[in-house]
Amino acid sequence: GNSVTQMEGPVTLSEEAFLTINCTYTATGYPSLFWYVQYPGEGLQLLLKATKADDKGSNKGFEATYRKETTSFHLEKGSVQVSDSAVYFCALMNYGGSQGNLIFGKGTKLSVKP
Amino acid sequence: NAGVTQTPKFQVLKTGQSMTLQCAQDMNHNSMYWYRQDPGMGLRLIYYSASEGTTDKGEVPNGYNVSRLNKREFSLRLESAAPSQTSVYFCASSKAVLGQVGGYTFGSGTRLTVV
Repeated sequence: GNSVTQMEGPVTLSEEAFLTINCTYTATGYPSLFWYVQYPGEGLQLLLKATKADDKGSNKGFEATYRKETTSFHLEKGSVQVSDSAVYFCALMNYGGSQGNLIFGKGTKLSVKP
Repeated sequence: NAGVTQTPKFQVLKTGQSMTLQCAQDMNHNSMYWYRQDPGMGLRLIYYSASEGTTDKGEVPNGYNVSRLNKREFSLRLESAAPSQTSVYFCASSKAVLGQVGGYTFGSGTRLTVV
């Protein structure tokens, strides 16, 4: 079946440090891949997405590249800020018929210290 | 732009009580979803509705029922609440048109405690 595995947190970094959050997936066919972010007390927001192999999604300084050969979609940011503290979810969508449902990883909590 | 609106934001129930969580979206999205979020478990799909008039079970449907009242509204009902249903519940919607890949838009959640 389809599944997403993320690195376990929490991850604690100092401001301006480099961030990597690992995400690998298992899926049949060619899923679309997503990163969502959840700030404290809020719902999830779409951060970036990629729909085919070698696509790079980017937003707010975050990037992730769809690697089919390694079934990975790692999230990176060159210089994190305190405001990036949140929980990050990797997700995939595999279309079956006319319906595609998002399947989420368990989330990785990031804390950035000043 | 309201997006996805969930009510209530917080609720405490006694075991055996019933309640309905409300969700409405104003983006003319076809599909709507109910997830629950538990520590260390990520988000798990309870039920979804691909279009008005249809509903389907997700990963963890037991103990819940849903109603897609119209295109805008999708409610989740707990008939007899149990402590295991203590969780944060999120409603989401998407265009979900075949061939178009879009993300989901989430509500801000309902924090439910069953004592």
